[in-house]
Amino acid sequence: GENVEQHPSTLSVQEGDSAVIKCTYSDSASNYFPWYKQELGKGPQLIIDIRSNVGEKKDQRIAVTLNKTAKHFSLHITETQPEDSAVYFCAASMGVRGNTPLVFGKGTRLSVIA
Amino acid sequence: DAGITQSPRHKVTETGTPVTLRCHQTENHRYMYWYRQDPGHGLRLIHYSYGVKDTDKGEVSDGYSVSRSKTEDFLLTLESATSSQTSVYFCAIRALVSTDTQYFGPGTRLTVL
Repeated sequence: GENVEQHPSTLSVQEGDSAVIKCTYSDSASNYFPWYKQELGKGPQLIIDIRSNVGEKKDQRIAVTLNKTAKHFSLHITETQPEDSAVYFCAASMGVRGNTPLVFGKGTRLSVIA
Repeated sequence: DAGITQSPRHKVTETGTPVTLRCHQTENHRYMYWYRQDPGHGLRLIHYSYGVKDTDKGEVSDGYSVSRSKTEDFLLTLESATSSQTSVYFCAIRALVSTDTQYFGPGTRLTVL
């Protein structure tokens, strides 16, 4: 089955700097890659997602890139702010046709230092 | 929050007792999921449902059962709780049949003593 590796497990950045979190996946059939943000005491919240027919997607300060050949995808947060501090999870699935559930990475704890 | 509620939000129980967690959604979503979250393991799928009375096992289904007798409710049961089932449990729904996007509920923190 699918296996998702996520790095780093913890990341500290200064406010205003950029943060990058990387994930690799094992199953080349995976075609859907979401990113979730989880604040303390809350459920994971979808922040951005990408499908395998797209190489990059942006939403304001957040972007995700996908390299299908290398089977890795990354989350980029620019101009970080203290409210970006949270745990971030990547995930992968084979999408609707395969009807396979999401497989998650183990998470990255991001701390933005003011 | 995609209209998802979980109950109870917190529960403390003793080893060997049965426990049922409830996930309720108000938007008639077909797909529903139960995950557990543990430090160092991220989110792991326990069971999921693709319709009323249609369920399937996930990665960590041992010791858990589920039921879905109506669209809006997905129940997770620990028949005889063990300390290894101490965790935070999240319910999720898939927003549309034609997409993979999942939205999560607020979670239930379960402690088994």
